[in-house]
Amino acid sequence: DIQMTQSPSSMSVSLGDTVTITCRASQDVGIYVNWFQQKPGKSPRRMIYRATNLADGVPSRFSGSRSGSDYSLTISSLESEDVADYHCLQYDENPYTFGAGTKLELK
Amino acid sequence: EVQLVETGGGLVQPGKSLKLTCATSGFTFTTAWMHWVRQSPEKRLEWIARIKDKSHNYAPDYVESVKGRFTISRDDSKSSVYLQMNSLKEEDTATYFCTRTGLDYWGQGVMVTVSS
Repeated sequence: DIQMTQSPSSMSVSLGDTVTITCRASQDVGIYVNWFQQKPGKSPRRMIYRATNLADGVPSRFSGSRSGSDYSLTISSLESEDVADYHCLQYDENPYTFGAGTKLELK
Repeated sequence: EVQLVETGGGLVQPGKSLKLTCATSGFTFTTAWMHWVRQSPEKRLEWIARIKDKSHNYAPDYVESVKGRFTISRDDSKSSVYLQMNSLKEEDTATYFCTRTGLDYWGQGVMVTVSS
């Protein structure tokens, strides 16, 4: 199975920060990476699809990028509503696999 | 409006069975590939099953940990997808979500607790 190594596992952040979360794929997954935001007690919300595409209704301060096998989610000028858990997913190959998640916490 | 609603969760003893249902509306179900994803109490997400549409012979796929125990199925006339879970283990304890092609819309999730 393809491993998605996500880092960091947690991050202490301040409002207005630029935050970057990364997933490294253990083998080539092309553009087939999604990023999800999840708040307590809620379902995951797709934020980025196909590595770099902003999902409908997602604020433009969110962006996705790819460099080789490294995939990143960047949040520019963090707002309070962005404090949540974030998960990456590869869907290039079965079984689809998620990263272990990143928890953002306010300082 | 796209909606997915899971039902059927609960507390079950190890070795027993449970069937989850995901009722959907607001999109063309017949061409959608439908998925089940679960989230452990530690909040780790795990994709567990997918069923393709009729044009792809309703082909299923599973993660290794549930193969032979779980069965995904669908009823296009009811716009619903199901997950039959047999021989349940304590490690199957999780919140189970259904989601569709692209994993863009998710249900609210249903809890399954496997414990004696």
